[in-house]
Amino acid sequence: DTGVSQNPRHKITKRGQNVTFRCDPISEHNRLYWYRQTLGQGPEFLTYFQNEAQLEKSRLLSDRFSAERPKGSFSTLEIQRTEQGDSAMYLCASSLGGANPNEQYFGPGTRLTVT
Amino acid sequence: GQQVMQIPQYQHVQEGEDFTTYCNSSTTLSNIQWYKQRPGGHPVFLIQLVKSGEVKKQKRLTFQFGEAKKNSSLHITATQTTDVGTYFCAFKGNQFYFGTGTSLTVIP
Repeated sequence: DTGVSQNPRHKITKRGQNVTFRCDPISEHNRLYWYRQTLGQGPEFLTYFQNEAQLEKSRLLSDRFSAERPKGSFSTLEIQRTEQGDSAMYLCASSLGGANPNEQYFGPGTRLTVT
Repeated sequence: GQQVMQIPQYQHVQEGEDFTTYCNSSTTLSNIQWYKQRPGGHPVFLIQLVKSGEVKKQKRLTFQFGEAKKNSSLHITATQTTDVGTYFCAFKGNQFYFGTGTSLTVIP
């Protein structure tokens, strides 16, 4: 499967714990995005990388959230001191620059439950 | 802040009926994308529109970008059960903004 992959698919954690999610984009895609989606809502933008550079970060994003893409390939999203309000589906997407930079391919997501 | 509103939020149709969802913005958009998300699935890119008044077709799906580039619509002709899902519009400003989606149920 050459699509976007995310791990783990599900994560249950206790409030206050740190969690880290991984995203592996489509190999030739240089752009990578993180979103959060809650039930009945559209994906909410969190952050965006072009290669290893983090170019945009949502102003709504708490300081507890951090993302990296150290070698311009896979990315990690870490949430520190999780809160119950962090429970959501975390989606990763990638796209190829050039003619269709906005055509995003989404991964299956990581569902986070904070108890 | 920038956002797009989608209507209706939910739509139930009999199989074979047509379906339309609308996406509206208070500001001019440089582009609009449409995605489909099946129940339990992830969003799948359908199309992007960038030109004023642009109309694109994909089989039974017709996508339109308004002349003022402030609204867009997705029309499905003769719905099938495979059309079930939530349809989102989105646009790229300084970041990506997704609408709240229209959930389509097709009754066989």
